[in-house]
Amino acid sequence: GNSVTQMEGPVTLSEEAFLTINCTYTATGYPSLFWYVQYPGEGLQLLLKATKADDKGSNKGFEATYRKETTSFHLEKGSVQVSDSAVYFCALSDDSNYQLIWGAGTKLIIKP
Amino acid sequence: DAGVIQSPRHEVTEMGQEVTLRCKPISGHNSLFWYRQTMMRGLELLIYFNNNVPIDDSGMPEDRFSAKMPNASFSTLKIQPSEPRDSAVYFCASSLSPGLSSGNTIYFGEGSWLTVV
Repeated sequence: GNSVTQMEGPVTLSEEAFLTINCTYTATGYPSLFWYVQYPGEGLQLLLKATKADDKGSNKGFEATYRKETTSFHLEKGSVQVSDSAVYFCALSDDSNYQLIWGAGTKLIIKP
Repeated sequence: DAGVIQSPRHEVTEMGQEVTLRCKPISGHNSLFWYRQTMMRGLELLIYFNNNVPIDDSGMPEDRFSAKMPNASFSTLKIQPSEPRDSAVYFCASSLSPGLSSGNTIYFGEGSWLTVV
């Protein structure tokens, strides 16, 4: 079945550092891929998405490219800020068309 | 535009009591989801409605849990009787339609933080 694996956290970085959070998946068919972010005490918000191979999703300085050859959707940001501290979830759509398969989440801590 | 609205935001109740969580989806959205989030199990889909009809309730843990959607703008998740292991954050979410494979977005509420003592 479909599954998502993302790097364990917490990831601790200094402000202005480069960020990569790894996400790999297994899937049949052609799923869409998503990154959601959850700030403390809040619900999840869509950060970016990609619907087909080689698509790049981007938002708020974050980017991720749908790599079918490596089954990956790594999240990157060139210069992180303290306000980026949150939990980041990678997810993919499954064959049902309404289910998202979620990664375990990666907690990101940015220190000033 | 108003997002998904959930109430209550926080609930502390005693074991055995009935708990009712409420949700107002985004206007015009016809898909509604109830999720549960815990440290141990992460995010779990409890039930999915499309056009007010329950499509998939396979994630509902047991008979103590029930969900309804009497109209397009309101849904409830009820736990009766509640148990300490039900302590979690319960999220309601909505989307314009199914079609996540096409990249449709699920919009989450801020959650109902339930503690059963």
